[in-house]
Amino acid sequence: EAGVTQFPSHSVIEKGQTVTLRCDPISGHDNLYWYRRVMGKEIKFLLHFVKESKQDESGMPNNRFLAERTGGTYSTLKVQPAELEDSGVYFCASSHFRGFSNNEQFFGPGTRLTVL
Amino acid sequence: AQTVTQSQPEMSVQEAETVTLSCTYDTSESDYYLFWYKQPPSRQMILVIRQEAYKQQNATENRFSVNFQKAAKSFSLKISDSQLGDAAMYFCAYSASITQGGSEKLVFGKGTKLTVNP
Repeated sequence: EAGVTQFPSHSVIEKGQTVTLRCDPISGHDNLYWYRRVMGKEIKFLLHFVKESKQDESGMPNNRFLAERTGGTYSTLKVQPAELEDSGVYFCASSHFRGFSNNEQFFGPGTRLTVL
Repeated sequence: AQTVTQSQPEMSVQEAETVTLSCTYDTSESDYYLFWYKQPPSRQMILVIRQEAYKQQNATENRFSVNFQKAAKSFSLKISDSQLGDAAMYFCAYSASITQGGSEKLVFGKGTKLTVNP
């Protein structure tokens, strides 16, 4: 079974530019999460999709961030325009279904974003 | 809001020895889940062990075990017979139980970098 994949692994952009990160969850996983780790700080939740619907986007920092999940499969996270403080590692995770207990989240390798 | 604190930014252990990583958390919920995730250098984060708060018995997975003290809101990870492959960043995490309407989003500590010395 293929794991969670993320593209690109690294991205270096200038302040003001746009960047789009992609996440492919494990096939069949309805839940998809985005997290971010800014240097020296905790990994922070950004948002949660259940299939194609945004279940919880309470962690999105501002309206420069836009997440989509087309057809309930892969997801993209676009930052437009990027600011210096957006630099960090963006993780995607997926889990199987919302049943009667919390399910293990499987993480991707992350995308390291550097904004200059 | 829930918080998770890992007070040890770095720890080291000799191969074959035992090491304990500390984690404390704060929540007003009565039912929740606690996790330890491991991220080896340049590799994906993987789940090491998880504990459901309503279970009194401490979770164990081979050489990994936890000491879950619900009243003290403490959740430490013990690694026995440490191996070189255990060297990694270890993250303690919390999530509210979905059976009580909570979100499955994870709240993480800052992590503890574990070095295993040969």
